[in-house]
Parts: sequence; structure tokens; C-alpha cells
Amino acid sequence: GNSVTQMEGPVTLSEEAFLTINCTYTATGYPSLFWYVQYPGEGLQLLLKATKADDKGSNKGFEATYRKETTSFHLEKGSVQVSDSAVYFCALSDPGGYNKLIFGAGTRLAVHP
Amino acid sequence: GAVVSQHPSRVICKSGTSVKIECRSLDFQATTMFWYRQFPKQSLMLMATSNEGSKATYEQGVEKDKFLINHASLTLSTLTVTSAHPEDSSFYICSARPQFPGMGENQPQHFGDGTRLSIL
Repeated sequence: GNSVTQMEGPVTLSEEAFLTINCTYTATGYPSLFWYVQYPGEGLQLLLKATKADDKGSNKGFEATYRKETTSFHLEKGSVQVSDSAVYFCALSDPGGYNKLIFGAGTRLAVHP
Repeated sequence: GAVVSQHPSRVICKSGTSVKIECRSLDFQATTMFWYRQFPKQSLMLMATSNEGSKATYEQGVEKDKFLINHASLTLSTLTVTSAHPEDSSFYICSARPQFPGMGENQPQHFGDGTRLSIL
């Protein structure tokens, strides 16, 4: 079945450090891929998306490229801020089931001044 | 942007009470809404897919008689936790996918802020 695997957290970085959160997926067909962010006590916000191979999604300095050959969608940011501290979820849409989302386990990011 | 409102944000009630949670899409129509449950420091688990005007599709292991879903309009879906018990305490999150003519089902989901349910 379809699944998403994320690197385990927490990830702890100093401000202005480079961020990578790995995400790989298993899917039949051609899913869309997403990164969502969840701040404490809140719901999820869409951070970026990519709908086909080699697409690059980007937003707020974050970016991720849909790599079909490696079935990956790693999240990167060149210089993190304290305000980026949150939980990040990688997800894929299941084309066969109303495009319902299948989430990875989430990766907690803590950025210190 | 697409806004999803979820209400209430927090509920504390006694065991045996039934609790209704509302999920509204404020500035778009959504034929499909989703209900998730999230345990502390864990990922979101899809409970059910709610389709306007038809019965919800429940994921394996989710009791449909326990978690009643109604999607009566294109902007509102409700989840009722019937006769709630302490083990039902959790963070419940809904999402909605905008319906745009000709755009198919590839629009991203937009999430509400969640409802923290605590059963004493």
C-alpha cells in the first residue's frame, strides 16, 4: 500500500543553519506530494506541494523537489529561524481514494537563537 | 485563501456525553471533507472521508456508530462522538478540499485548527 517515511526527530538547529528533513514514499500511480506544518496547538497548514515528477514546490524559503527516481520529497531551507520551530509532515495524496492524504509520522524541528 | 473553521476548539466533558464537532469551509465549497485523529506527538490518522449528500467512508478499525459523520451541505460537515469515554480523548482535525469545476480532485486539502476533546 501507499506509505510515507520521514526522518525521525526531533531536529535541533541553531538559527541560520541549513535544514533538511528527509521524506520518501511508496505509491502506486502518480500521487501528488505535500509538506504541511503544524504549530503547537493548531491544525495543519499547507507549506508547499508538487504534483508531478521534477516539480519543485517552494514557499517561505522552504523548497522540495519531487524525485520519482528516488521516490523522495526532501524538505530544505537554507537558513532557519526560531519561528520555523514546528512539526513538519510529509504527505502524499492517494489517487485511488478521493485523493485522501497519507501522512508521514512528522518531524519536530526546534530552532534555537 | 481557503479557510476552514472548526468548532469548538476545546471540549471537556463527562464520560457518556455525546460531542458534536463542526467543520466549515468559509470561502469555498467542498464536496469532500476529511476527519482525522491525532494522538500526542503522533501523526494524523484518517478516520473517515465525508462526501456531501452521501454516507461517509470510514477507514478500517473506525467504528461508524461511534463516530457519526454528517455532510449536509457543501460547506459543513459534522463529527459526533457518541457516548464518549476517556479513551476517545484526542485531537480531532478536519480538512476540506476545494471544488473547482474542471480541476478534478487534485486540489490540496485545507485544515481546520483542530478540536481538543478531553473526556473525564
